[in-house]
Amino acid sequence: DSGVTQTPKHLITATGQRVTLRCSPRSGDLSVYWYQQSLDQGLQFLIQYYNGEERAKGNILERFSAQQFPDLHSELNLSSLELGDSALYFCASSGGGPYTDTQYFGPGTRLTVL
Amino acid sequence: GIQVEQSPPDLILQEGANSTLRCNFSDSVNNLQWFHQNPWGQLINLFYIPSGTKQNGRLSATTVATERYSLLYISSSQTTDSGVYFCAVDPRGSNYQLIWGAGTKLIIKP
Repeated sequence: DSGVTQTPKHLITATGQRVTLRCSPRSGDLSVYWYQQSLDQGLQFLIQYYNGEERAKGNILERFSAQQFPDLHSELNLSSLELGDSALYFCASSGGGPYTDTQYFGPGTRLTVL
Repeated sequence: GIQVEQSPPDLILQEGANSTLRCNFSDSVNNLQWFHQNPWGQLINLFYIPSGTKQNGRLSATTVATERYSLLYISSSQTTDSGVYFCAVDPRGSNYQLIWGAGTKLIIKP
């Protein structure tokens, strides 16, 4: 158990809908990262937050947004969902130093868009 | 941007065999991490290894930063070692994001 929790584990929804994925980092970690992994693909970095502020942005679509709250949990919002958004979404956390630190991954949320 | 290439893409071995996975990167990095994704999808950090050699049980990793590669050694493979192994690098001058390789899919047969 990495100490990173993600909810829900599975999510099935329809095209055009909006969903929210939630992540709680390991105790004491300030950084949260979101990744997308499509079927049999590598990981695509979406966005990173450090202590409530956006720190780095990757290939995140405009339909997607995220935030990190004062208690350091984070939410990833996906809107106007398309079939191609079906994927495994991971959250990771780290201590947050000057460089990327060791990242600990949650179990992921498997999103299926029908 | 930096390129991260892993080889081989696929590897099938019998239980008890040893294996070496390679990660090449095209530019200088601040650090490199190895991860294992098991068949159930869970991602586990194996090593944080910007340079030098580290060992953890049957696994060890070596990064030669000056020559821009890292190796992951798995000895006496077990079926639980099956899954995909990823390396990820933090490029010098990066904006805090890791750049991931495509992974090596390892299957250990009993």
